[in-house]
Amino acid sequence: GESVGLHLPTLSVQEGDNSIINCAYSNSASDYFIWYKQESGKGPQFIIDIRSNMDKRQGQRVTVLLNKTVKHLSLQIAATQPGDSAVYFCAESFTGNQFYFGTGTSLTVIP
Amino acid sequence: NAGVTQTPKFQVLKTGQSMTLQCAQDMNHEYMSWYRQDPGMGLRLIHYSVGAGITDQGEVPNGYNVSRSTTEDFPLRLLSAAPSQTSVYFCASNTKGRAYGYTFGSGTRLTVV
Repeated sequence: GESVGLHLPTLSVQEGDNSIINCAYSNSASDYFIWYKQESGKGPQFIIDIRSNMDKRQGQRVTVLLNKTVKHLSLQIAATQPGDSAVYFCAESFTGNQFYFGTGTSLTVIP
Repeated sequence: NAGVTQTPKFQVLKTGQSMTLQCAQDMNHEYMSWYRQDPGMGLRLIHYSVGAGITDQGEVPNGYNVSRSTTEDFPLRLLSAAPSQTSVYFCASNTKGRAYGYTFGSGTRLTVV
């Protein structure tokens, strides 16, 4: 399978600060990327996606940045809230409907 | 709209036992897949199906069987459970277009003793 790795397995931030979660991918042919949020005891949930013809995409309080040159993806969460505490996964896709997932980063928001 | 429903939520099996993990979706998604999630290893694809009557192997298919007789259902069968199959299992579905990735079920936590 494809290697999708995360630089930091855990991240702790103060409530109200911005969070940045990083992801490295290995397949230069990957053309579609998704960030998922997984809360304890639940399945992953879609947060935001980006296609390879873009380098930035913004959602509500979240921004995804794609750097194809170094095969790097990041998720920025603005004004982090306690409800943002979860494990965040990046996933890449280059063919069909298959996605390859990273190992996840655990985000803890400190009140 | 229930989305993706998995049953059971928890299961303990003895080594050598067989069982079926159920998965159903009500979104008329063509594509369904099974993943297992182990600590530090992310989500790994076991089997997937691109439509009724069509299944294929993923990254870690050994010890598992699947079938897709209807669009809605995609059960995962453990033929002879082994401790190495202790994991959290997720069923997921999406449309052919890949957009928005998968809709995941809430998972089945399986322990094989």
